[in-house]
Amino acid sequence: KNEVEQSPQNLTAQEGEFITINCSYSVGISALHWLQQHPGGGIVSLFMLSSGKKKHGRLIATINIQEKHSSLHITASHPRDSAVYICAVKASGGSNYKLTFGKGTLLTVNP
Amino acid sequence: NAGVTQTPKFQVLKTGQSMTLQCAQDMNHEYMSWYRQDPGMGLRLIHYSVGAGITDQGEVPNGYNVSRSTTEDFPLRLLSAAPSQTSVYFCASGRAESTDTQYFGPGTRLTVL
Repeated sequence: KNEVEQSPQNLTAQEGEFITINCSYSVGISALHWLQQHPGGGIVSLFMLSSGKKKHGRLIATINIQEKHSSLHITASHPRDSAVYICAVKASGGSNYKLTFGKGTLLTVNP
Repeated sequence: NAGVTQTPKFQVLKTGQSMTLQCAQDMNHEYMSWYRQDPGMGLRLIHYSVGAGITDQGEVPNGYNVSRSTTEDFPLRLLSAAPSQTSVYFCASGRAESTDTQYFGPGTRLTVL
């Protein structure tokens, strides 16, 4: 079983819909990252969370440490949000630099 | 700033050939790393470095070598390419004291025949 599980694997939405992508993990962590990979392949860091919630524009990321779960929300989705969204965790007590990645969620937003 | 650059963008090798994937960053980041991305799997760490002269193994280091002679450059060497090394390779960098943000290169798509 992967240490980091994402759901759903694929998600198709209509423009304007509210999107939720989930990430569950099985180890104690000190930080969780959300990244975005565009169809061209480039990867961009979106958020790093250790508790609570962060917001950047239409993107909101939340984490519940006790439940070992994080969600990434996109409000008023747009076709340009179409991408693979990747969750990654840094294990507690581990190297500062080693992240374990989920397999990603492919989001397609149709106009 | 160019950020993180990788060359080449595409490469085809024959089994047994060797090659070096180049990675450079101009942000004076101490931390640099190499990942591979395979279909149906998450990114996996191959090797990483926390400064010039310091390297360490990641999750899947076999068949790869690295060195870090300068802060800017972190090349990945395939010693004797195998079909199992067909993958997309990403280089990333960040500040050593924090992993808040890792900056990724555009990737190198490698095919080993």
